[in-house]
Amino acid sequence: DAKTTQPPSMDCAEGRAANLPCNHSTISGNEYVYWYRQIHSQGPQYIIHGLKNNETNEMASLIITEDRKSSTLILPHATLRDTAVYYCIVRVPGNQFYFGTGTSLTVIP
Amino acid sequence: GAVVSQHPSWVICKSGTSVKIECRSLDFQATTMFWYRQFPKQSLMLMATSNEGSKATYEQGVEKDKFLINHASLTLSTLTVTSAHPEDSSFYICSASPFTGVGSGANVLTFGAGSRLTVL
Repeated sequence: DAKTTQPPSMDCAEGRAANLPCNHSTISGNEYVYWYRQIHSQGPQYIIHGLKNNETNEMASLIITEDRKSSTLILPHATLRDTAVYYCIVRVPGNQFYFGTGTSLTVIP
Repeated sequence: GAVVSQHPSWVICKSGTSVKIECRSLDFQATTMFWYRQFPKQSLMLMATSNEGSKATYEQGVEKDKFLINHASLTLSTLTVTSAHPEDSSFYICSASPFTGVGSGANVLTFGAGSRLTVL
């Protein structure tokens, strides 16, 4: 039921930008793209979401392509505490969130 | 911001017993809550949508008689694992949003910290 595909794992050097890609080629016009992350044995933590425009908050930036078929989450200055599994989710009508397999990001000192 | 609380955070029970997990929205009302299950090294799997005042909607393959959901108030949903067996051991997570329904796609879903169930 998940409408997204992500690379299973990525590494990033501490202090550098982490760019996490997500494909959602079947997204519909009124469906939002959400990003959450999950640190081991905790509930998912909200990061950012968007519909068409690029978004930025205190945690990250979200870049959505013009055709909306893919997006990239950017953590501008990754820290060791950013090591987590990152989930890209397309919110379907009816509001359910279906999680894909996510990307396991490891920030390396 | 919105806070969702789960209790207990972990529970150990004997095979054949029933276990109840509570999910509370602390500072908002939620007509809809969602229950997920997560096995080790796997993603979250949506089990059911809990609707206040009505029956829960279960995802395909989830046994409704096994996983009883009660959403008795706008701030509380409970998941009861009946006659638990070792294969029910998992991490159970609930989530909720202040707003649901048409036009609510922009509203963030807040997750609880999860409840880890171990069935001996």
